Amino acid sequence: QKEVEQDPGPLSVPEGAIVSLNCTYSNSAFQYFMWYRQYSRKGPELLMYTYSSGNKEDGRFTAQVDKSSKYISLFIRDSQPSDSATYLCAMSHGGTSYGKLTFGQGTILTVHP
Amino acid sequence: GAVVSQHPSRVICKSGTSVKIECRSLDFQATTMFWYRQFPKKSLMLMATSNEGSKATYEQGVEKDKFLINHASLTLSTLTVTSAHPEDSSFYICSARGERELAKNIQYFGAGTRLSVL
Repeated sequence: QKEVEQDPGPLSVPEGAIVSLNCTYSNSAFQYFMWYRQYSRKGPELLMYTYSSGNKEDGRFTAQVDKSSKYISLFIRDSQPSDSATYLCAMSHGGTSYGKLTFGQGTILTVHP
Repeated sequence: GAVVSQHPSRVICKSGTSVKIECRSLDFQATTMFWYRQFPKKSLMLMATSNEGSKATYEQGVEKDKFLINHASLTLSTLTVTSAHPEDSSFYICSARGERELAKNIQYFGAGTRLSVL
């Protein structure tokens, strides 16, 4: 069993839809949670970062963490074609692991006009 | 803030030659940098962790003599693919760990280098 599970999709939605992306994890030592967006042939770009259970909002993006269920989500409101990309969840133990990240497989999202 | 620059973005080389990829943190000091390899439609595979002033730590299965990493300053790490072969063709991405306390658990990524070995 992988430490982090993420449905690779692909996920296709119409413009304006609410998108829900999810990851589950098995290691309760993970304390820091990130969502990255990666466009084709580019490096990942940090979208959201959180270290506590609950919701964190930034513009059209909301990150949700439920440590008791070992489940994290990213919601995208009013999705746009420019949101079409691969979304990677990532997690870190913190402490002396020097920020080493464990990634999900990535979900390919397409938002069509 | 937290900008990471990676150069070159694309390189084509002949089999047997060596290729150097640079990774720079532009507006912060990066004591720790990471090098990844990514295959098409796959997630990132960590190759090594690079700490300024010390030897890199390689992940299991990664040949350290093949992939030479140097982190000589707080803003620059380099990856040299020695005696490259077609099977080394891939997308290589570097990242730098954040500097401030909470940001030490975040990685900021470069734009990646697409290596093609003929």
